[in-house]
Amino acid sequence: AQSVSQHNHHVILSEAASLELGCNYSYGGTVNLFWYVQYPGQHLQLLLKYFSGDPLVKGIKGFEAEFIKSKFSFNLRKPSVQWSDTAEYFCAVRGNNRLAFGKGNQVVVIP
Amino acid sequence: DTAVSQTPKYLVTQMGNDKSIKCEQNLGHDTMYWYKQDSKKFLKIMFSYNNKELIINETVPNRFSPKSPDKAHLNLHINSLELGDSAVYFCASSLGQASGNTIYFGEGSWLTVV
Repeated sequence: AQSVSQHNHHVILSEAASLELGCNYSYGGTVNLFWYVQYPGQHLQLLLKYFSGDPLVKGIKGFEAEFIKSKFSFNLRKPSVQWSDTAEYFCAVRGNNRLAFGKGNQVVVIP
Repeated sequence: DTAVSQTPKYLVTQMGNDKSIKCEQNLGHDTMYWYKQDSKKFLKIMFSYNNKELIINETVPNRFSPKSPDKAHLNLHINSLELGDSAVYFCASSLGQASGNTIYFGEGSWLTVV
């Protein structure tokens, strides 16, 4: 079964700072990669996904992620965060009919 | 026109009770899931159904019993609730089981067992 690791569970940064969240996975087969966001008190929403093709994918709200196959990584980035980006971010890997989540990154953006 | 809807959104109940959470999707998907999010925000799959048939059943106590009357519905029944069952339960759905299909989540059901 696949597993997903997210580092730096708690991230606090100021508005306009750049954000990068790391995601590493372990799985030997073909995978599809996702980042989901969960705003306070809300459900999971899809931020972006990678299935194939260009390893640099762009999602909603200015987020992007890069799939580096050799490193088994799918890091999420945003060049300039806003207060409204305060949320929990989950990396997920789908393989063998299972979607496995990382433990999440709690991101707090200070105005 | 909510895509994946769950009821109730909030549920507070005593230990030992039996409760159900209902889930419906209007996306025309044929695969539905239940995920549990614990107090540390860790998300873990519990069950998956494809066309009303159980295809994934992770290590979950048998007090939890999913029921899929049709492919648009997947309900979760929990018997003899325990304190540790307190969590947010997310229903989700997708079209098919292929890895390339996005999974869409409901808004979650906040269960508190006292």
